[in-house]
Amino acid sequence: NAGVTQTPKFQVLKTGQSMTLQCAQDMNHEYMSWYRQDPGMGLRLIHYSVGAGITDQGEVPNGYNVSRSTTEDFPLRLLSAAPSQTSVYFCASRRGRASPKNIQYFGAGTRLSVL
Amino acid sequence: AQSVTQLDSQVPVFEEAPVELRCNYSSSVSVYLFWYVQYPNQGLQLLLKYLSGSTLVKSINGFEAEFNKSQTSFHLRKPSVHISDTAEYFCAVSEWSRGSTLGRLYFGRGTQLTVWP
Repeated sequence: NAGVTQTPKFQVLKTGQSMTLQCAQDMNHEYMSWYRQDPGMGLRLIHYSVGAGITDQGEVPNGYNVSRSTTEDFPLRLLSAAPSQTSVYFCASRRGRASPKNIQYFGAGTRLSVL
Repeated sequence: AQSVTQLDSQVPVFEEAPVELRCNYSSSVSVYLFWYVQYPNQGLQLLLKYLSGSTLVKSINGFEAEFNKSQTSFHLRKPSVHISDTAEYFCAVSEWSRGSTLGRLYFGRGTQLTVWP
């Protein structure tokens, strides 16, 4: 059971480049989310999804796009990377659409540097 | 809006000493409370949670946390720490109320616990 898998683990981009961070889970979880982690800031929610075809913004969505075509996958797209997007990105999933009791499971993270 | 405050960004302690990591939250509705731990270069994993019932909850590796509704706190404690407890600890809160909310998780800024030999 792989849980939540993120690829790549590391990435270096130049300003203005685009890329997609991949996230896949094999637990059939409805709820998936993307966070960014910056020193001293904790985790901040970028986007989330409660099921295939349904996505919504979190607290820091600017500069990021998401889509959810399947239950398993929830990719995060940077359309035009900026140095301010240098961060560690975590994908997480949780059973249930609106189940605040349930545990979130996290991937190992993607470390992104934008030069 | 929900907010979670971890009062200490760094806590250095010696091995076998007791430790307390503090967490306070603000919310006008009912909450579920979590502590997550992040070891170096890894993702977050659940340490313990409070959903309902007994206000004292415990983890399998000796940590415990107590929900105090009047003080809106959920402090994490361990009576004797090990070097392997060195990690960053995040307090998180999820709100719930009838007919609303998707149970979004709000995180504190984290406390780096460093255990010295």
